[in-house]
Amino acid sequence: KNQVEQSPQSLIILEGKNCTLQCNYTVSPFSNLRWYKQDTGRGPVSLTIMTFSENTKSNGRYTATLDADTKQSSLHITASQLSDSASYICVVSGGGSYIPTFGRGTSLIVHP
Amino acid sequence: NAGVTQTPKFQVLKTGQSMTLQCAQDMNHEYMSWYRQDPGMGLRLIHYSVGAGITDQGEVPNGYNVSRSTTEDFPLRLLSAAPSQTSVYFCAARDSRTDTQYFGPGTRLTVL
Repeated sequence: KNQVEQSPQSLIILEGKNCTLQCNYTVSPFSNLRWYKQDTGRGPVSLTIMTFSENTKSNGRYTATLDADTKQSSLHITASQLSDSASYICVVSGGGSYIPTFGRGTSLIVHP
Repeated sequence: NAGVTQTPKFQVLKTGQSMTLQCAQDMNHEYMSWYRQDPGMGLRLIHYSVGAGITDQGEVPNGYNVSRSTTEDFPLRLLSAAPSQTSVYFCAARDSRTDTQYFGPGTRLTVL
């Protein structure tokens, strides 16, 4: 069964600090992995997409990594800001299905 | 471009009532889907459509109907609302070239 597990479930950090969110998946064969950011009361918005051949991709202060061999991805946030407070969702496509597999998300709170 | 729009933003129903959640997109994407989001459960797929006239069930389809008469519109119907359908509902349109899903702002539904 295709699964996506995210850790931690929730995280609280101080403004200006860095943090790393984890995503492990069992989806096979792998097509791509995407990180979404969901602000409270809004729909998810795509941050970055990783394909099999990509190890690292950055989007401003967000850097995603992918290890397709161990089926792991991470999202690193540098110099966090209050606006980074949100839920971050890992979504993996593949597994012989047209339907992507969603993780349950990591809730990040950035305190001043 | 408005992207993906959903109406209403909020709705309260009594058990047994029926209603339709509206979803429209102006991006001309063939693939559209409906999700529900519950605390601790992440996004779960209810129904999806790969084009006008074609719909299929997702992970949690019971109690919901969909139709797709045009590329733009993808309404979700609750046949007889139950308290278990209290949730936040998101509609999404998917760009098949980039595999990016664009989510609407959501409808918060409460069933009493």
